[in-house]
Amino acid sequence: ETGVTQTPRHLVMGMTNKKSLKCEQHLGHNAMYWYKQSAKKPLELMFVYSLEERVENNSVPSRFSPECPNSSHLFLHLHTLQPEDSALYLCASSQDTSRETQYFGPGTRLLVL
Amino acid sequence: SQQGEEDPQALSIQEGENATMNCSYKTSINNLQWYRQNSGRGLVHLILIRSNEREKHSGRLRVTLDTSKKSSSLLITASRAADTASYFCATGMMDSSYKLIFGSGTRLLVRP
Repeated sequence: ETGVTQTPRHLVMGMTNKKSLKCEQHLGHNAMYWYKQSAKKPLELMFVYSLEERVENNSVPSRFSPECPNSSHLFLHLHTLQPEDSALYLCASSQDTSRETQYFGPGTRLLVL
Repeated sequence: SQQGEEDPQALSIQEGENATMNCSYKTSINNLQWYRQNSGRGLVHLILIRSNEREKHSGRLRVTLDTSKKSSSLLITASRAADTASYFCATGMMDSSYKLIFGSGTRLLVRP
């Protein structure tokens, strides 16, 4: 266990649905990240939060909406997704945003029908 | 094109053999990290090497870094079936305080 949990582990949703992914870290870290991992593509950084403030929005479509209510929790709200958004969504945390080790959750496998 | 590229894309070896994976990158880095991912799971940090270091060891892992060639290698000695996974290099950039740029990974299969 890395100290980062994600729920749900699997999610199937239609294009008109609204769902949320949840991430929680128990490591006392100040930075949290959302990544997207698609088949045969490198890991893509989506969002970065430092001390609950968003510091990166890496050209992510607005149908993905992050929320960081406190330094331990991170959400990714999903609405009107497309089939190409099907992927493994990984949450990670680090002590701070100074390029050091990141600790990943197990991911949410998302399928958009 | 991406910052980190691993080579080979896939590697199949017999248990007990050594496995070597390579990573090349394009721009100046602060550090380079190697991560492991079991199928469909999260990534697990293996080792971090800083730009002023040339070699680092951790158990059966040996990482080298050649900043003049902008390349790194990960050696796993005496491989085990449980080492079967995908291995990713990630570069910590000099021009960003938070970005790790991941490569596409090497899929390692260790046959019992």
